[in-house]
Amino acid sequence: RKEVEQDPGPFNVPEGATVAFNCTYSNSASQSFFWYRQDCRKEPKLLMSVYSSGNEDGRFTAQLNRASQYISLLIRDSKLSDSATYLCVVNMKRTHPPLVFGKGTRLSVIA
Amino acid sequence: SAVISQKPSRDICQRGTSLTIQCQVDSQVTMMFWYRQQPGQSLTLIATANQGSEATYESGFVIDKFPISRPNLTFSTLTVSNMSPEDSSIYLCSARLGGAAGELFFGEGSRLTVL
Repeated sequence: RKEVEQDPGPFNVPEGATVAFNCTYSNSASQSFFWYRQDCRKEPKLLMSVYSSGNEDGRFTAQLNRASQYISLLIRDSKLSDSATYLCVVNMKRTHPPLVFGKGTRLSVIA
Repeated sequence: SAVISQKPSRDICQRGTSLTIQCQVDSQVTMMFWYRQQPGQSLTLIATANQGSEATYESGFVIDKFPISRPNLTFSTLTVSNMSPEDSSIYLCSARLGGAAGELFFGEGSRLTVL
């Protein structure tokens, strides 16, 4: 089992749609979790951290399920500008390197 | 936040040559890293650039192939030595702010094509 797994997509959704991505991780001792966004031919940028209680930032909601070892990202009311690759990042403190990146899920929002 | 500048942003190189990528951070940071991102792949950590000492390399990466310098807390270089087409990739410099759990910032990347 890969350390961090994501559905590569692409997810093609119309504007205004709600879309959800899941990411599973293998190390139960993982301590912190993040979603990064990477636009085409650009560097990754932090979208949001994922807290145990779940957190929301505008149209974006991140949740963590430790029992099932997955995190999710929900995007409501999708905009064209949301088109990007979303990288799941897990801090596995017992492994090295501690930060492990998923391959990313590609989202295309269509007008 | 941190602003990370990398150069060159892209280059096309001949097999057997070497290329040095420079990374400048706009503030002093303890931890700097070099990643590689091959097409369709996730980011892979090459090494941690340690200020004042030798870099710490990940499995599969060696100093002779990827020598790294870190002369101070704001600057680092990565050299890709004796390049082959398999080294064609995007190389990303990154820095962490706020300690071990802090946010990771990335430079815009250096896209390398080896012919």
